[in-house]
Amino acid sequence: SQKIEQNSEALNIQEGKTATLTCNYTNYSPAYLQWYRQDPGRGPVFLLLIRENEKEKRKERLKVTFDTTLKQSLFHITASQPADSATYLCAPGEYGNKLVFGAGTILRVKS
Amino acid sequence: DAGVIQSPRHEVTEMGQEVTLRCKPISGHDYLFWYRQTMMRGLELLIYFNNNVPIDDSGMPEDRFSAKMPNASFSTLKIQPSEPRDSAVYFCASSAGLASSEQFFGPGTRLTVL
Repeated sequence: SQKIEQNSEALNIQEGKTATLTCNYTNYSPAYLQWYRQDPGRGPVFLLLIRENEKEKRKERLKVTFDTTLKQSLFHITASQPADSATYLCAPGEYGNKLVFGAGTILRVKS
Repeated sequence: DAGVIQSPRHEVTEMGQEVTLRCKPISGHDYLFWYRQTMMRGLELLIYFNNNVPIDDSGMPEDRFSAKMPNASFSTLKIQPSEPRDSAVYFCASSAGLASSEQFFGPGTRLTVL
């Protein structure tokens, strides 16, 4: 069955450092992979979408990579700030199909 | 646009009662999704609609759950009868497409079944 794995442990980093979150998938061939941010008590908010033929996508301090050979996506936040503290969800999706969300990784940025 | 609107924001009910959750998607979006989120199971897709037609309800846990979309601007998720294990946050989301399009989530309904 399809499986999506994100860091189960919370990631604690110091302000100013780069945070790297991992999303691995198995039994799955997504054509797209999306990343969302979720704050406590709120719904997820879309951040970035990367396609299978794109190796890397950037948006301001955010960078996403997509390696279809390794079946992995990495999500980077450079120059992290306490305001970046949240849960980050990855969601791969096959062409013409629905997204499947991972369990999410909690990021805590300490000043 | 005000974004995806859900009501109520909080619902506390007793086991056996009927619960109805409501959602107004973003105008012009062809897809509407109902999700359930718990600590144990994360964010699960229950059902999604395309142009008001249910496409995939494989995530609906059992016959106690039903969803409708009578028109492009309104959808309901009903639980009858409710059970304590249904306690969760229920999100509605809408989008212009499937995996190639971003989803816009509502604020969620926190359901507590006593």
